[in-house]
Amino acid sequence: EAAVTQSPRNKVTVTGGNVTLSCRQTNSHNYMYWYRQDTGHGLRLIHYSYGAGNLQIGDVPDGYKATRTTQEDFFLLLELASPSQTSLYFCASSEQGTTGNTLYFGEGSRLIVV
Amino acid sequence: GDSVTQTEGLVTLTEGLPVMLNCTYQTIYSNPFLFWYVQHLNESPRLLLKSFTDNKRTEHQGFHATLHKSSSSFHLQKSSAQLSDSALYYCALGQGGRALIFGTGTTVSVSP
Repeated sequence: EAAVTQSPRNKVTVTGGNVTLSCRQTNSHNYMYWYRQDTGHGLRLIHYSYGAGNLQIGDVPDGYKATRTTQEDFFLLLELASPSQTSLYFCASSEQGTTGNTLYFGEGSRLIVV
Repeated sequence: GDSVTQTEGLVTLTEGLPVMLNCTYQTIYSNPFLFWYVQHLNESPRLLLKSFTDNKRTEHQGFHATLHKSSSSFHLQKSSAQLSDSALYYCALGQGGRALIFGTGTTVSVSP
């Protein structure tokens, strides 16, 4: 079973604050993803990467930066957090591109921006 | 653009009754992959089943779905719901090497 670990699991920050969500996968997967989950919207893709140093823009990228430092590590950065970014964030990985390949999700990081 | 539509936000039913969750998709690609992911309360989503083949039934853990390219549909069915089937179900579209596109999800609530 693929292992994807996120930290922190819970975070509260103030509007305008700086937040970094971390994700590590230990399965040598090439692709990593950041999704946010909101009631009524489902899972929406923020950014993804197919290897160290690569970054692809997702469907809801505004207000987010991401960086893939190694094959294992993928970070999501909120430099000026806003209440609209209050959400449950999931990191996921897959061996190749998602056409036909299973996504393995981390446990989620719940972020509250007050 | 590409999209996935799940028409039911919430499905409530009694244990033992059949369940069907609707999923339709839109894509310009002729060979999409369709997926169903399930997410139980306080857990992360995990793959339930997937399909690439037109008109072929795919089964897993009592659930089944058939990809129909003619109607762009991939409905999820189960003949007899169990209490443990209460969860959030996502239909998702994979195509052209891009990241998965998820629908908005359907919450299933099964009562005794």
